Amino acid sequence: AQSVTQLGSHVSVSEGALVLLRCNYSSSVPPYLFWYVQYPNQGLQLLLKYTTGATLVKGINGFEAEFKKSETSFHLTKPSAHMSDAAEYFCAVSDSYGNKLVFGAGTILRVKS
Amino acid sequence: GAGVSQSPSNKVTEKGKDVELRCDPISGHTALYWYRQSLGQGLEFLIYFQGNSAPDKSGLPSDRFSAERTGGSVSTLTIQRTQQEDSAVYLCASSLVVAGVSEQYFGPGTRLTVT
Repeated sequence: AQSVTQLGSHVSVSEGALVLLRCNYSSSVPPYLFWYVQYPNQGLQLLLKYTTGATLVKGINGFEAEFKKSETSFHLTKPSAHMSDAAEYFCAVSDSYGNKLVFGAGTILRVKS
Repeated sequence: GAGVSQSPSNKVTEKGKDVELRCDPISGHTALYWYRQSLGQGLEFLIYFQGNSAPDKSGLPSDRFSAERTGGSVSTLTIQRTQQEDSAVYLCASSLVVAGVSEQYFGPGTRLTVT
């Protein structure tokens, strides 16, 4: 069975500061890993994904994540937070092909001016 | 182009009534998924359709839940004899395979409230 743990249900950063959202996964097979963002009253939007190959993955809106197999982690970062980044972020894992996503509990990012 | 659409956006129903939720996937996407997002349980997979294959129903929480996909396009999620614990946002996604991996595109969801 696969699972995802997101550390911190709420994260608050100042505008311009580094954003770090933590995700650890458990998987018995090589995982495919995803980060999604959800703005209020909207669906989920894919930020980035890791399948195979390069472990540092770049996504939209300046976000990136690094797959670390030894740490079973896939943390999301952005060098400089914008007010528009305020949203809920979900890390997800799938066993293959990106089907049947298993989501973490989500992290709400607040950006202070 | 048009994204995944869902209707209705909001549904309030009385306990014990049946409800139908509709999903229109992105044209050309062969796979369709239903998820449920609730305060207590987070985001949960419900069911997955891929082409003409038998659907993967492993996430449906009870036999009151069913779904069908007609003509490989539109899908309907039906909840019979609704209970208060069914209150949640029901999200639909469709997927396109990119480099061997399905990228799921989500609709805005249907917020179901059972009173």
